[in-house]
Amino acid sequence: TQLLEQSPQFLSIQEGENLTVYCNSSSVFSSLQWYRQEPGEGPVLLVTVVTGGEVKKLKRLTFQFGDARKDSSLHITAAQPGDTGLYLCAGLQTDSWGKLQFGAGTQVVVTP
Amino acid sequence: EPEVTQTPSHQVTQMGQEVILRCVPISNHLYFYWYRQILGQKVEFLVSFYNNEISEKSEIFDDQFSVERPDGSNFTLKIRSTKLEDSAMYFCASGSGTLEAFFGQGTRLTVV
Repeated sequence: TQLLEQSPQFLSIQEGENLTVYCNSSSVFSSLQWYRQEPGEGPVLLVTVVTGGEVKKLKRLTFQFGDARKDSSLHITAAQPGDTGLYLCAGLQTDSWGKLQFGAGTQVVVTP
Repeated sequence: EPEVTQTPSHQVTQMGQEVILRCVPISNHLYFYWYRQILGQKVEFLVSFYNNEISEKSEIFDDQFSVERPDGSNFTLKIRSTKLEDSAMYFCASGSGTLEAFFGQGTRLTVV
């Protein structure tokens, strides 16, 4: 099993600040997905990155896939209270039929 | 926007009883998955299903578990004889390919 480690586990910031969440592994993944999960609900897909070095932007969220496809980051610019949530990364294992390996998540709290 | 729907949202069952969790994947998707999340733990892969057969399964997915796509729209997970440790949120997901997975809201299974 290819493990994904997310850091930090918890992040509390003030509205308007920037934050970065990291997702690291010693293994190579075919692709990596970022999800956001609210309590008691299913993960909601934010983005998929496939190519090493790829950068994708979703409004104030910037996602990057490492050159070696072993790590990824999520950067939020000028965070807002609506960004509060659990952010999960999930890697698609090589030679698998869609099997995602999830990280434990980073709980982000943005206070007004 | 198309979404994966799961029923019921919450199921309570006695240990040893059989349960069937139901899912309606997004209509043009071809890949179907079940994941589970024990309270406070990571989302874990159970099984993937493509072309009317299991394409991959985890160690968790033992003989007590089975999946079926009985009528071309529903996708079900059956647990034959539930154990206390089967208590978890069960998520169904679907994708048009293996790169992306869209998750349902989940079924909270409580085994008493």
